[in-house]
Amino acid sequence: NAGVMQNPRHLVRRRGQEARLRCSPMKGHSHVYWYRQLPEEGLKFMVYLQKENIIDESGMPKERFSAEFPKEGPSILRIQQVVRGDSAAYFCASSPFEGTNSPLHFGNGTRLTVT
Amino acid sequence: DQQVKQNSPSLSVQEGRISILNCDYTNSMFDYFLWYKKYPAEGPTFLISISSIKDKNEDGRFTVFLNKSAKHLSLHIVPSQPGDSAVYFCAASGRGSQGNLIFGKGTKLSVKP
Repeated sequence: NAGVMQNPRHLVRRRGQEARLRCSPMKGHSHVYWYRQLPEEGLKFMVYLQKENIIDESGMPKERFSAEFPKEGPSILRIQQVVRGDSAAYFCASSPFEGTNSPLHFGNGTRLTVT
Repeated sequence: DQQVKQNSPSLSVQEGRISILNCDYTNSMFDYFLWYKKYPAEGPTFLISISSIKDKNEDGRFTVFLNKSAKHLSLHIVPSQPGDSAVYFCAASGRGSQGNLIFGKGTKLSVKP
């Protein structure tokens, strides 16, 4: 998974705090995707972003979750007022192409634990 | 409602033999299918993909077969190696759904020396 960098690798937050997860895509990739994996589940799509634009946020919870991919800097997934159910592994992926049928390259994820 | 199903949570195979991982889907609009491999504490790594216009795609020891009429695909690994031990995820996407992959729950493959 060289190239897609996520930090932090592990994040512990108390209920009610904010969590900020960062993702730098592979060099030359301008398309970023966030996925969430709950224990014993497959990955679930959350949001697709290009620079300064949210393209598809159909998988994002309606409240407390937001994502951005600014012109400069990494993509950020922000979870406000975290609850225990937010505990999961959050994976970022990137791709170079806009068209379909190009595989996504995933980072190693951020494991969020809410206590 | 699971659109992509991997009905076997685990599979154990002897080194050198064939591993066959199965995946079923329900949405006939899916036109692109992928297999990812995942080690603990790492992200998924892309293995192989297949477009719905094909029924087979091969890459080294890995072959993916697609049966559109049965809405079924399978991943064959031959010969299996201990380093193949990992969780394998099947994923699918439909036309126009850029990057919105629907994943199965995964099959944990153990290859015994």
